Amino acid sequence: AQRVTQPEKLLSVFKGAPVELKCNYSYSGSPELFWYVQYSRQRLQLLLRHISRESIKGFTADLNKGETSFHLKKPFAQEEDSAMYYCALSGRNQGGKLIFGQGTELSVKP
Amino acid sequence: GAVVSQHPSWVICKSGTSVKIECRSLDFQATTMFWYRQFPKQSLMLMATSNEGSKATYEQGVEKDKFLINHASLTLSTLTVTSAHPEDSSFYICSAPSGSGNPYEQYFGPGTRLTVT
Repeated sequence: AQRVTQPEKLLSVFKGAPVELKCNYSYSGSPELFWYVQYSRQRLQLLLRHISRESIKGFTADLNKGETSFHLKKPFAQEEDSAMYYCALSGRNQGGKLIFGQGTELSVKP
Repeated sequence: GAVVSQHPSWVICKSGTSVKIECRSLDFQATTMFWYRQFPKQSLMLMATSNEGSKATYEQGVEKDKFLINHASLTLSTLTVTSAHPEDSSFYICSAPSGSGNPYEQYFGPGTRLTVT
């Protein structure tokens, strides 16, 4: 079964602290993994794709196929990072259908 | 960048009535659009794939007779919630691939808040 699991509903850190949002997936095949972010009162937007291996707003995520994980990391959290973060999966030849995790609310305190 | 709009942004309707939600790609064409449902502070659940010129593909457990999807043109998909009940109250979000040829590059609408009284 295809599944994305984000074990933490809420993650609260202080500004400048490192942050890691966990994501584990279950998929039989080679999935595409993504992180989406939803700031307060804004629409969902793409943050990262595993295949591009880039850093956006200081965030990085590495796909670990052995552990079936795609954790999102940032070394120094900023207050403006406070948002809902969703890990998502899509399979090849599925035309872009996304399976989302439950979401983690990141709260960065001053 | 590509923009997806939804109309209305919120709607309140009485139990038993039907409600139509529109999803438009504003500056690109989308042969496929996706409809999601989101409960407060919860995940987005894929409901169906809207296909221009053909029938929508529904995910398991989604009632196709209740959630009617019509992809009338390359820029418009509509979701009609028929005979709405309070349990249908939710946030409905659509998305569309950008048209760049990469199906994974998707743009999301702002969502429609449906409240059924």
